[in-house]
Amino acid sequence: DSGVTQTPKHLITATGQRVTLRCSPRSGDLSVYWYQQSLDQGLQFLIQYYNGEERAKGNILERFSAQQFPDLHSELNLSSLELGDSALYFCASSPFAGTGYSPLHFGNGTRLTVT
Amino acid sequence: ELKVEQNPLFLSMQEGKNYTIYCNYSTTSDRLYWYRQDPGKSLESLFVLLSNGAVKQEGRLMASLDTKARLSTLHITAAVHDLSATYFCAVDMEDSGAGSYQLTFGKGTKLSVIP
Repeated sequence: DSGVTQTPKHLITATGQRVTLRCSPRSGDLSVYWYQQSLDQGLQFLIQYYNGEERAKGNILERFSAQQFPDLHSELNLSSLELGDSALYFCASSPFAGTGYSPLHFGNGTRLTVT
Repeated sequence: ELKVEQNPLFLSMQEGKNYTIYCNYSTTSDRLYWYRQDPGKSLESLFVLLSNGAVKQEGRLMASLDTKARLSTLHITAAVHDLSATYFCAVDMEDSGAGSYQLTFGKGTKLSVIP
C-alpha cells in the first residue's frame, strides 16, 4: 500500500458530462501529480501541485482542471467528456516540489469509462 | 521534449531464462526510475538510479544506468512466472527554476513468463 488514496475506483459516465476525481497524498507529502494512462498514449503527465500551488503542467487538456486544497488533497475535474477521455487516471505524491531523488508513490487509480 | 524509449515492448520468455529490457532517453539526466505494474493495478517503484554507473539489484532483477549513453537496462535472471507484469522506465526532468519536476515514462515492456 503506497499510502496514496484515490476515489472513486471506477467511474462510468456519458459523453458531455463532468466528473471529479479525488486524491489524498501520503501523510507528509506536499506534492501531488496527476497522470493519465491509456492504451494508445501510455502514461502521460497532466499536472503537478505543491502545497496548494500549481508547479508544472504537462499534456493537460483545457477541458481538464485540477486543484490542491489546504488539507493537501487534490481533485482533478474533467468536463465535456469525450470517448477518448476513457483511461486510468493516477495520482502520485512526493514530499518535495522538485525531484528530491525519490520515486513518486502512486495511488491505485480511477478507471474512467465514457460511453 | 524528453523522449523515453523502451524495447522490447512485448516480451514472452520461458521460466529460467535470462533477458534484458532496454531504456533509452533523449536528454541528459542522471535520475532514472523503474516501476512495475500488474494488470489494472498501481505502479510500484522498483529501482531508483541516481548516478552514472549505478547498479541496483533486488532478487532476480538488476537495473543499471549509463548516463553517457543515456541508457538504462533491466536485467532479468532465471525468470519466474511471478515476474510477469509491465515494466516502465521513467526519467525525470527537473525545472529547478520553477521548483517542479515531472517524470516522463517509456511505453512499458509487457513481460510474460511462461512456465
